[in-house]
Amino acid sequence: SQQGEEDPQALSIQEGENATMNCSYKTSINNLQWYRQNSGRGLVHLILIRSNEREKHSGRLRVTLDTSKKSSSLLITASRAADTASYFCAPAGNRDDKIIFGKGTRLHILP
Amino acid sequence: DGGITQSPKYLFRKEGQNVTLSCEQNLNHDAMYWYRQDPGQGLRLIYYSQIVNDFQKGDIAEGYSVSREKKESFPLTVTSAQKNPTAFYLCASSMGQVNTEAFFGQGTRLTVV
Repeated sequence: SQQGEEDPQALSIQEGENATMNCSYKTSINNLQWYRQNSGRGLVHLILIRSNEREKHSGRLRVTLDTSKKSSSLLITASRAADTASYFCAPAGNRDDKIIFGKGTRLHILP
Repeated sequence: DGGITQSPKYLFRKEGQNVTLSCEQNLNHDAMYWYRQDPGQGLRLIYYSQIVNDFQKGDIAEGYSVSREKKESFPLTVTSAQKNPTAFYLCASSMGQVNTEAFFGQGTRLTVV
């Protein structure tokens, strides 16, 4: 299995602004998932994008996937204080049998 | 309600003692995972199991042991051989195909004194 690498490591923005974080990976994938972790809690699944999809939306979340660049981005629009959390990506290939996470992006929404 | 439950939430143990962390799920998931998270860090995979009576080592299995005697349960034992066991431990489950969503428990914070 491969590990995604999230960028930036940390991000602070004003409430109401948009937040963008990126994920890069190394080998071909079947899909890529994004998760959120609030401090001291378990991870929560946000969205899954398949390799044949280029963009996917869920509420204020927009995920893009560029398989030619082996990268994905997560955009959170109109950020809120409750969006303060760490965000992780998990790329998965066809032969992967486990879920591997990177170090994540720590997002802090300033009031 | 369906879900995945870890217990206890906080655990304190003396150095040199083995300790077992519980993870139970009623989602009828085949796959279960254990991760370790250190402060400000990502998740590192300790062990995972795709089916009952079978499990595989992850990236940091040394000093840990698991069992998978029932589909619903995947306990993790932190042994005295684990040199730095103080950490946040997360259990997860999924349908068994890696291309599906993983559900996480709320974690167990282990402190060894």
